[in-house]
Amino acid sequence: DAKTTQPPSMDCAEGRAANLPCNHSTISGNEYVYWYRQIHSQGPQYIIHGLKNNETNEMASLIITEDRKSSTLILPHATLRDTAVYYCIVFSGNTPLVFGKGTRLSVIA
Amino acid sequence: ETGVTQTPRHLVMGMTNKKSLKCEQHLGHNAMYWYKQSAKKPLELMFVYNFKEQTENNSVPSRFSPECPNSSHLFLHLHTLQPEDSALYLCASSQDGEGFYGYTFGSGTRLTVV
Repeated sequence: DAKTTQPPSMDCAEGRAANLPCNHSTISGNEYVYWYRQIHSQGPQYIIHGLKNNETNEMASLIITEDRKSSTLILPHATLRDTAVYYCIVFSGNTPLVFGKGTRLSVIA
Repeated sequence: ETGVTQTPRHLVMGMTNKKSLKCEQHLGHNAMYWYKQSAKKPLELMFVYNFKEQTENNSVPSRFSPECPNSSHLFLHLHTLQPEDSALYLCASSQDGEGFYGYTFGSGTRLTVV
């Protein structure tokens, strides 16, 4: 599976949109972009995934560039409970899920 | 609760002890996973079971022994561990071995080896 690059940390003001970027320039045609998050000392939680179209669910929106080399996870109105490590993972299903270091998002009151 | 339950939540064991971690899911999933998360490190995949068959052992030392008696239960048997094995052990399940519908993780067992 292709590797991803994420900033190690970001801050966001409570109530504002949190935009978390991810680069995956070596992504293959059959690989999806998945996002998970891990709140302190808990198991990771699935957020959203997409192949090439933008996706939205009750938790977040996923914007994938047309060339699929990067994506952005958007939390539209961040709350303190969104403070977590966010993992962007490129996944084809051929091998199990592999986690990188992710982005530590701190939502500030 | 995520649908994946891990017990115990916390465990302290000596290096000569034998203990087991338990994971249970009632989501109807057919694949289960053990991950290890050491302090300030990314999650590391340990074992994968797909329809009760072990399909991956990620070069894990033999002092860790997994068992999957059915698709709903997964155990990790521990013996003669080292202090560096202290970590958060996470269990996950997915609908099938491909995992396209996402993995569901438990809350983990925080293991301390003394």
